Amino acid sequence: KAGVTQTPRYLIKTRGQQVTLSCSPISGHRSVSWYQQTPGQGLQFLFEYFSETQRNKGNFPGRFSGRQFSNSRSEMNVSTLELGDSALYLCASSDRGLGYTFGSGTRLTVV
Amino acid sequence: AQTVTQSQPEMSVQEAETVTLSCTYDTSESNYYLFWYKQPPSRQMILVIRQEAYKQQNATENRFSVNFQKAAKSFSLKISDSQLGDTAMYFCAFMKHSRNNNNDMRFGAGTRLTVKP
Repeated sequence: KAGVTQTPRYLIKTRGQQVTLSCSPISGHRSVSWYQQTPGQGLQFLFEYFSETQRNKGNFPGRFSGRQFSNSRSEMNVSTLELGDSALYLCASSDRGLGYTFGSGTRLTVV
Repeated sequence: AQTVTQSQPEMSVQEAETVTLSCTYDTSESNYYLFWYKQPPSRQMILVIRQEAYKQQNATENRFSVNFQKAAKSFSLKISDSQLGDTAMYFCAFMKHSRNNNNDMRFGAGTRLTVKP
């Protein structure tokens, strides 16, 4: 069974630009969650999608958005990038609340 | 809101010895799940062990075991016979049980464990 796939692995963007990250969950998993990981703030919950609907949302500004497609693949978008958005973005998929399986993450650097 | 606290930012242990990582949490929920995840330098988060709050028996996975004290809201991880490959960040996590299987997992700040040869 393939794991959770996140693309790209690394990304460098300029302040003010926007970025889209992609996540393909484990086949059959309908829930996809996104986290931001930074040395200062640790792992912070961004949002969770289930069957193309956002079920939970963390405390992030509206510049952070996401969506989920009918095949459960998910994307997250960050608009008007700021230096503080530099982080490791982790995606995780889940089946029936049994805990997450994480992807390897996308390392975003904003310059 | 649920919070998870890991009071040990860093720990070290000699190879083959035993180490215990601490975790406490705060919740008003009665039914929930607790997890320990490991994040090695490769940055892949790996599930180490999982505990359902309604189960009194402590979970065990090979060299990894937990001491779950529900009344004290404590969930410590014991690693026996430590190996060099256990060197990683360890995160304690909480997820409340919900009927619609909402998956909102909250993590502690992590403990950096170094296993020394």
